[in-house]
Amino acid sequence: KNQVEQSPQSLIILEGKNCTLQCNYTVSPFSNLRWYKQDTGRGPVSLTIMTFSENTKSNGRYTATLDADTKQSSLHITASQLSDSASYICVVSYKRAGNMLTFGGGTRLMVKP
Amino acid sequence: EAQVTQNPRYLITVTGKKLTVTCSQNMNHEYMSWYRQDPGLGLRQIYYSMNVEVTDKGDVPEGYKVSRKEKRNFPLILESPSPNQTSLYFCASREQGAGHEQYFGPGTRLTVT
Repeated sequence: KNQVEQSPQSLIILEGKNCTLQCNYTVSPFSNLRWYKQDTGRGPVSLTIMTFSENTKSNGRYTATLDADTKQSSLHITASQLSDSASYICVVSYKRAGNMLTFGGGTRLMVKP
Repeated sequence: EAQVTQNPRYLITVTGKKLTVTCSQNMNHEYMSWYRQDPGLGLRQIYYSMNVEVTDKGDVPEGYKVSRKEKRNFPLILESPSPNQTSLYFCASREQGAGHEQYFGPGTRLTVT
């Protein structure tokens, strides 16, 4: 069964600190992996998309890594800001008609001043 | 501005009263889909459409209908809503094929009493 597991479920950090969120998946056949940021009550917004051949991808203070061998990904946030408080969702696309997406349950991050 | 719009944003209704949630995108995307998001379960796909007049079931289609008569619109229909359909609903769209950015609407919070 295709699954995406994220850890931790929730995280509290102080403003200015770094943090790393984890994503493990069993989706097959793999097409690509995406990280989304979702503010409370709003639609998810894409941060990065990585294909099988990409190990690292950055978007400002967000850096995603992918290890396709171990089927793990991480999202590293550098110098956190209060506006980083949100849920971060790992999504893996698998090769099927329509390139279906499997969503992780998300990590809820709270950045405190 | 490129966007996905949904209406209404909030809706409270009673069991059995048919309702429609509209979704429209202005990016000429072929692929559109509907998701529901519930606490602890993440985002789950209800239906998707790969093009006009082409729709298919996602992971949780029971109790829902969709139609795709025009490229820009993808309404979600609940013929006889029940309390277990109380949820936060998101419409999304993207270009066809792997690796394309998926854009989400702002969400519709539905309560069925």
